[in-house]
Amino acid sequence: SYVLIQTPSVSVAPGQTAAIPCGGNNFAMKSVEWYQQRPGQAPVLVVHDDINRPSGIPERFSGSKSGNTATLTISRVEAGDEADYYCQVWDSGSDQVIFGGGTKLTVL
Amino acid sequence: QVQLVESGGGVVQPGTSLRLSCAASGFTFRNHAMQWVRQIPGKGLDWVAVIWHDGNNKDYADSVKGRFTISRDNSEDTLYLQMDSLRVEDTALYFCARGGNYYGSGSYYRMDHWGQGTLVTVTS
Repeated sequence: SYVLIQTPSVSVAPGQTAAIPCGGNNFAMKSVEWYQQRPGQAPVLVVHDDINRPSGIPERFSGSKSGNTATLTISRVEAGDEADYYCQVWDSGSDQVIFGGGTKLTVL
Repeated sequence: QVQLVESGGGVVQPGTSLRLSCAASGFTFRNHAMQWVRQIPGKGLDWVAVIWHDGNNKDYADSVKGRFTISRDNSEDTLYLQMDSLRVEDTALYFCARGGNYYGSGSYYRMDHWGQGTLVTVTS
């Protein structure tokens, strides 16, 4: 079955840039979505279709994709960005939604 | 504004059934895919099922296929998840989420609004 691989944790100092990778096969044919989940809260969509930001999401959040890796980049990281981040795709081979295991972003 | 409110969770024994509901408001429900996602507290997101905007297509995670049934009532703006033959490992917080607009652009399978979840505990 299709698998998305995420680094379990990323740490960054306030004001710096965090890059959260997500690895998968055949990414060129798939749209990658990114979710932020703060403790005790429901997930929030922060990037959809690889690179697009929903309304209300700060411009500091951006998505990119190259080869077998999609990346969520958070610029000028703030304490409030500390959360779990999940990537997600639709796998047409199995007709299933696939989530990555999540990356915990720690703001030092 | 978009609102999704789940209900129906509770404590049940293994082998029993439960039906979850998700009341939607603030958008044209019949145009959007809808999904269920669950999460064991402290663990990652686990996709459960998706139903197309018109209810004609449904897909399930392997772990629930044959036991869970997703459905919707577009006249009542409500999403359902019928859970049969429940197992201890089904214990989780169950979220409903709005998928893409069939008549819009972008991924049909993105989840752009989520409810707060309803807790299902399966225990003997």
